[in-house]
Amino acid sequence: GNSVTQMEGPVTLSEEAFLTINCTYTATGYPSLFWYVQYPGEGLQLLLKATKADDKGSNKGFEATYRKETTSFHLEKGSVQVSDSAVYFCALSDPGGTSYGKLTFGQGTILTVHP
Amino acid sequence: DGGITQSPKYLFRKEGQNVTLSCEQNLNHDAMYWYRQDPGQGLRLIYYSQIVNDFQKGDIAEGYSVSREKKESFPLTVTSAQKNPTAFYLCASRGGPGETQYFGPGTRLLVL
Repeated sequence: GNSVTQMEGPVTLSEEAFLTINCTYTATGYPSLFWYVQYPGEGLQLLLKATKADDKGSNKGFEATYRKETTSFHLEKGSVQVSDSAVYFCALSDPGGTSYGKLTFGQGTILTVHP
Repeated sequence: DGGITQSPKYLFRKEGQNVTLSCEQNLNHDAMYWYRQDPGQGLRLIYYSQIVNDFQKGDIAEGYSVSREKKESFPLTVTSAQKNPTAFYLCASRGGPGETQYFGPGTRLLVL
């Protein structure tokens, strides 16, 4: 079945540092890939997505590239801010077959950014 | 404003009690989903519904039930058969195949 593996956290950075959160996946077919962000006590917000190989999703300074050859979708940001402190989830959706768009999530990575 | 609302924000369950979590969307989405989130884990799918009057079990449906009588509403009942119900419950909806899932703010269920 489908699975998503994220780098273990928590990740602690100073403001303006470079961020990478690794995400690799196992899936049949050609999944769409997502990064969601969750702030304390809230639901998930879509951060970015990519629907086919070599697509780059980007939003709010975050980027991730769909790499089919390495089955990866690593999240990067050049300069983090304190307001980026949150939990980040990598997820995949297989639009085909009987999965009905079900999302398969990684375990989440807690990011804390200090001033 | 279009979006997904969940109520209540916090819910307390007594031993042997059934409780119902509300999820409403005004996005005109056909598909709706319920996920459970436990600390340090990703989200796991409980139930999903593609259209009104139809729903399917997800990965962890035991101890839960749902209904889909209206397009806008997808309530989740946590029954007394669910022995470990303490978790954060998230509802989501999706417009169509290949489209993004959008999430509500969540309900935190605690056991007294």
